[in-house]
Amino acid sequence: DVKVTQSSRYLVKRTGEKVFLECVQDMDHENMFWYRQDPGLGLRLIYFSYDVKMKEKGDIPEGYSVSREKKERFSLILESASTNQTSMYLCASSFRGGYGYTFGSGTRLTVV
Amino acid sequence: GEDVEQSLFLSVREGDSSVINCTYTDSSSTYLYWYKQEPGAGLQLLTYIFSNMDMKQDQRLTVLLNKKDKHLSLRIADTQTGDSAIYFCAESDDKIIFGKGTRLHILP
Repeated sequence: DVKVTQSSRYLVKRTGEKVFLECVQDMDHENMFWYRQDPGLGLRLIYFSYDVKMKEKGDIPEGYSVSREKKERFSLILESASTNQTSMYLCASSFRGGYGYTFGSGTRLTVV
Repeated sequence: GEDVEQSLFLSVREGDSSVINCTYTDSSSTYLYWYKQEPGAGLQLLTYIFSNMDMKQDQRLTVLLNKKDKHLSLRIADTQTGDSAIYFCAESDDKIIFGKGTRLHILP
């Protein structure tokens, strides 16, 4: 069964901490994405990657960075967590042509 | 810019049909999708349709695409309590654009 796996389901971090959210896919997808989901705002794209070592800013990249050292792994980094980054974070991957978007189960991050 | 619009809430009686509507702006979209999100979970692909198709049926699900009006709908026949979720419409060419989601509430 093909899968996108996010390392943590729930995470609680303190303000100012550096936070790593990990995502791994086993479908050999070229594209990988990080979204955050907030009530009333839907899904907002943070960063995406079309290939290894490639990254592109999405709609709300401020306060975040990403890393893609291997094709199957895409990491989201909060350099200095703030309370307004409390959210549900969703990772997704797809083939290069935009087909077959598959999502992970999400990480609910709370910053206190 | 590209946009996908859908109503935020729909209430349906158990056993009736649910119809969730969506409009999009990008005429070059290649694929159009419906995703389902249950509480606390990620998005699950329900069905998709190629932009050169008008209709797709998969068991209780029927997708209708009106490309001229840029209108996509999802019909769920015989709605069950397990269908209670948020349904996201999305369109993609290279990048995927999501609507804000329609919360489907099932009345007993």
